[in-house]
Amino acid sequence: KAGVTQTPRYLIKTRGQQVTLSCSPISGHRSVSWYQQTPGQGLQFLFEYFSETQRNKGNFPGRFSGRQFSNSRSEMNVSTLELGDSALYLCASSLDGNEKLFFGSGTQLSVL
Amino acid sequence: GESVGLHLPTLSVQEGDNSIINCAYSNSASDYFIWYKQESGKGPQFIIDIRSNMDKRQGQRVTVLLNKTVKHLSLQIAATQPGDSAVYFCAESPLGDYKLSFGAGTTVTVRA
Repeated sequence: KAGVTQTPRYLIKTRGQQVTLSCSPISGHRSVSWYQQTPGQGLQFLFEYFSETQRNKGNFPGRFSGRQFSNSRSEMNVSTLELGDSALYLCASSLDGNEKLFFGSGTQLSVL
Repeated sequence: GESVGLHLPTLSVQEGDNSIINCAYSNSASDYFIWYKQESGKGPQFIIDIRSNMDKRQGQRVTVLLNKTVKHLSLQIAATQPGDSAVYFCAESPLGDYKLSFGAGTTVTVRA
């Protein structure tokens, strides 16, 4: 069974631009979560989706948004990029969001 | 706010010895606990999980212990191998929260 797939693997953007990251969950998993990982803050929860509905959201500004499609794929968008948005963005999937999240390899975003 | 944390940021272990990684949590509503291993350039990899109605769970070479009285979680790795060198994270979640709160991580280095 294929794991969680995230694209692209690396991204370089400049301040003020926007970016869209993509995530394909494990087949059969309906919950998709997004996390931001930085050396200073560690792993921080962004949001969780199940059946196209956002069920929980972390403490991030409104520039961070996401969505989930009917096939459980998910995208997250960051608008008006800031230098501090440089991070590894991780997507995780699970059957129902209550346990055993499986992570992808992440998208490494660098904002210059 | 409440958070999950690890007692030690680094742990050096002799190959073949047993490793114990500790984690303290403060959210008394936490119902689900999970350990991840993260190698350089990869996303967190699921190791083992446990629910609050249990105090011990064993996997292949790993054991997780949960002490709800003192809000303490530990991961024991038997016969530590070089491939066990990585950063280990504990995480917790209240039931129905659909998000994991991660500790800061412990870097385990296995000495040959």
